Amino acid sequence: NAGVTQTPKFQVLKTGQSMTLQCAQDMNHNSMYWYRQDPGMGLRLIYYSASEGTTDKGEVPNGYNVSRLNKREFSLRLESAAPSQTSVYFCASSRGTALMNTEAFFGQGTRLTVV
Amino acid sequence: KNQVEQSPQSLIILEGKNCTLQCNYTVSPFSNLRWYKQDTGRGPVSLTIMTFSENTKSNGRYTATLDADTKQSSLHITASQLSDSASYICVVMGKTSYDKVIFGPGTSLSVIP
Repeated sequence: NAGVTQTPKFQVLKTGQSMTLQCAQDMNHNSMYWYRQDPGMGLRLIYYSASEGTTDKGEVPNGYNVSRLNKREFSLRLESAAPSQTSVYFCASSRGTALMNTEAFFGQGTRLTVV
Repeated sequence: KNQVEQSPQSLIILEGKNCTLQCNYTVSPFSNLRWYKQDTGRGPVSLTIMTFSENTKSNGRYTATLDADTKQSSLHITASQLSDSASYICVVMGKTSYDKVIFGPGTSLSVIP
């Protein structure tokens, strides 16, 4: 049982380049989330998807887009990367429709550097 | 303003010793509080969850306490092991909406032999 799988684990982009971070879960969870983690700060929610076919903005959505491709997969896209997007990105999933009311499972993270 | 604060920022202890990590929050209204452990290079893993009506919750050598009146929580680690070296994150959820899930900045714990 792989849980939540993110790819890639590491990525270096030049300013202005685009890329998509992939996330897949095999636990049949309804909800999926994208967070970013920066030094000295707590994880901040970028986007979430409460169910297949729905997505909503979180706390820091600017510069990102998401796609809930199916129940398993939730991707995060950076259309024009900026140095401020250098961060560690985490995908998470949970069975219920609220992150805290049911246990959330996190992927291993994607460390992104924009130069 | 950071709605969840943790102290200390970092801590070094000897293997076998106990330690206590603190979490203060201002999130209101409050629904529940969770402690996560995050190993270096990994995603967070849930340790405990407490609702506003619970005072304490244990998970093996980890014991979390909650004082909803003072808006404080602590995580006590007993008989520390080298594998306890990690970042410990306090997460507080308000009553409504996803953007009320607030992660603290974490406490980095190093357990040395």
